[in-house]
Amino acid sequence: AQSVSQHNHHVILSEAASLELGCNYSYGGTVNLFWYVQYPGQHLQLLLKYFSGDPLVKGIKGFEAEFIKSKFSFNLRKPSVQWSDTAEYFCAVNSLSGGGADGLTFGKGTHLIIQP
Amino acid sequence: DAGITQSPRHKVTETGTPVTLRCHQTENHRYMYWYRQDPGHGLRLIHYSYGVKDTDKGEVSDGYSVSRSKTEDFLLTLESATSSQTSVYFCAIRDGTGGDLGGYTFGSGTRLTVV
Repeated sequence: AQSVSQHNHHVILSEAASLELGCNYSYGGTVNLFWYVQYPGQHLQLLLKYFSGDPLVKGIKGFEAEFIKSKFSFNLRKPSVQWSDTAEYFCAVNSLSGGGADGLTFGKGTHLIIQP
Repeated sequence: DAGITQSPRHKVTETGTPVTLRCHQTENHRYMYWYRQDPGHGLRLIHYSYGVKDTDKGEVSDGYSVSRSKTEDFLLTLESATSSQTSVYFCAIRDGTGGDLGGYTFGSGTRLTVV
């Protein structure tokens, strides 16, 4: 079974700092990769996704992620964070072995706090 | 927005009672999913559906059943609720069809408390 590991459970940064959240997955086949954000009390919103092609993916709100196949990694980055980026961030993987229909496997999440 | 509505938004129920949560979509998506979210665990897949009357188990399916009699509705039932099923439940759909599957869109969640 596939698994997803997020390296940091809690991250605290100051505004304007650079952000990198780590994500590794265990599945060896073809995968789709996702980062979701969850603001307090809200549902998950898609930040970005990787299906194929350019391994550097740009998403909403200035986020980007890089897929490194040899490292089974899909790290999320943002060059300068804002207070409004305070949220929970989830990395997720979908393997294509079942035709892609069998849902996402999530990491346990990273709680990001941005201090003004 | 993919037009996903979850009901109820909040529910408190007693141990041992049956509970049904509803997920309704308006855009005829084939694939639908139920997840639960718990602190320290992220989201875990309970059951999913790949068509009317076609469902399969996810990672944490024990104690849950699902039904999909219409494309637009995916029901999650706790036959006899337990305190360990206190959680936030999210429904999701997957955009696209066939070889052109897209991303996943989540509903607003149902907060269930079993007392």
